Amino acid sequence: NAGVMQNPRHLVRRRGQEARLRCSPMKGHSHVYWYRQLPEEGLKFMVYLQKENIIDESGMPKERFSAEFPKEGPSILRIQQVVRGDSAAYFCASSPLEANYGYTFGSGTRLTVV
Amino acid sequence: QKEVEQDPGPLSVPEGAIVSLNCTYSNSAFQYFMWYRQYSRKGPELLMYTYSSGNKEDGRFTAQVDKSSKYISLFIRDSQPSDSATYLCAMTKGGSEKLVFGKGTKLTVNP
Repeated sequence: NAGVMQNPRHLVRRRGQEARLRCSPMKGHSHVYWYRQLPEEGLKFMVYLQKENIIDESGMPKERFSAEFPKEGPSILRIQQVVRGDSAAYFCASSPLEANYGYTFGSGTRLTVV
Repeated sequence: QKEVEQDPGPLSVPEGAIVSLNCTYSNSAFQYFMWYRQYSRKGPELLMYTYSSGNKEDGRFTAQVDKSSKYISLFIRDSQPSDSATYLCAMTKGGSEKLVFGKGTKLTVNP
């Protein structure tokens, strides 16, 4: 049973480009969460999605960031027109149930903006 | 004041020592408390999960929650070099899917 799969593991983008981060939840998990870890900072909640629905995006920056979890395929976190401050590790987690706080995290995507 | 405060360390101990890791929080609505372990370049891994006040033990790990003091602890007995990692506390309110994390404490256990 594969864990939460994130790809790519490392992503380098120039300022102004788009970054697409993918997350495949564990089999049978329909709840997906994205967190961002800035250098020397703790993990910060970004967004919570269920299939085809954004449930809570209160942690998402108002501009340039979007997330989706389609009926088929992985969840995607999209960052448009990246800036240096977007450089961070982005982690996805999944859960089989609502309010089941024992999330399983993926290994993350490390985004570097040059 | 941050919602969750955690001393980043680093903390260095000899093998076999008892390790105490702590977090304080300001939001009295927090009811669920977790400890995650994160190895370098990896995702966080859930170690302990407790609800409300009290103690919970799992092998060498004991989690303690004191809601009256807004203080949680993780104790590691007979620490091993393989315990060397960053330990993150996390917590949330009932009915919320959003975890609030501490910054993490970096622990090194020396052989």
